[in-house]
Amino acid sequence: SQQGEEDPQALSIQEGENATMNCSYKTSINNLQWYRQNSGRGLVHLILIRSNEREKHSGRLRVTLDTSKKSSSLLITASRAADTASYFCATDEEYSSASKIIFGSGTRLSIRP
Amino acid sequence: ETGVTQTPRHLVMGMTNKKSLKCEQHLGHNAMYWYKQSAKKPLELMFVYSLEERVENNSVPSRFSPECPNSSHLFLHLHTLQPEDSALYLCASSQEQRGGYNEQFFGPGTRLTVL
Repeated sequence: SQQGEEDPQALSIQEGENATMNCSYKTSINNLQWYRQNSGRGLVHLILIRSNEREKHSGRLRVTLDTSKKSSSLLITASRAADTASYFCATDEEYSSASKIIFGSGTRLSIRP
Repeated sequence: ETGVTQTPRHLVMGMTNKKSLKCEQHLGHNAMYWYKQSAKKPLELMFVYSLEERVENNSVPSRFSPECPNSSHLFLHLHTLQPEDSALYLCASSQEQRGGYNEQFFGPGTRLTVL
């Protein structure tokens, strides 16, 4: 079974609203990353949060990590039409090779104008 | 522009054809990856070349064959594919640090259609 699973699978909101996506994982991790993918394109790294961090900000993005619940959330504030994309969390397992990270199924975000 | 390029961007091939996908990274990274992305499925890690070692996903069929002649170039050789192999194939690279984190930089992908 996959390590990270995003929730919801799809989200549609009005431009200007905030979007929240969640990710749950199963094993202990070193860090958790969020990526964005525009339709049919490659993934772009957004933000990384280490296992000893609880919250991190980058522009309109806010990521939280709760290692006791094995979950993370990505908040996009004041959404824009250009934020329409799929968002993936990715985790690497503690003690595993640094080269192996596992992606979830993604949340497809649509911003209505 | 992420510094990772892939060619071709689109490929249509028959089941008896042999073709190759190419990936090049201009970031000085020491690890490169092939992923397969099918509709409504998580990204599937196919192959990793990391610190000059090749790591395979044992579930990848032998009709996919990777080649990494140097740290900047990665190929995926395809032969006798099946229609279910149609997908977006993504290449990525990273600077692997033992005990560190692994931000991956992705190419734009090759959209493969097998007829």
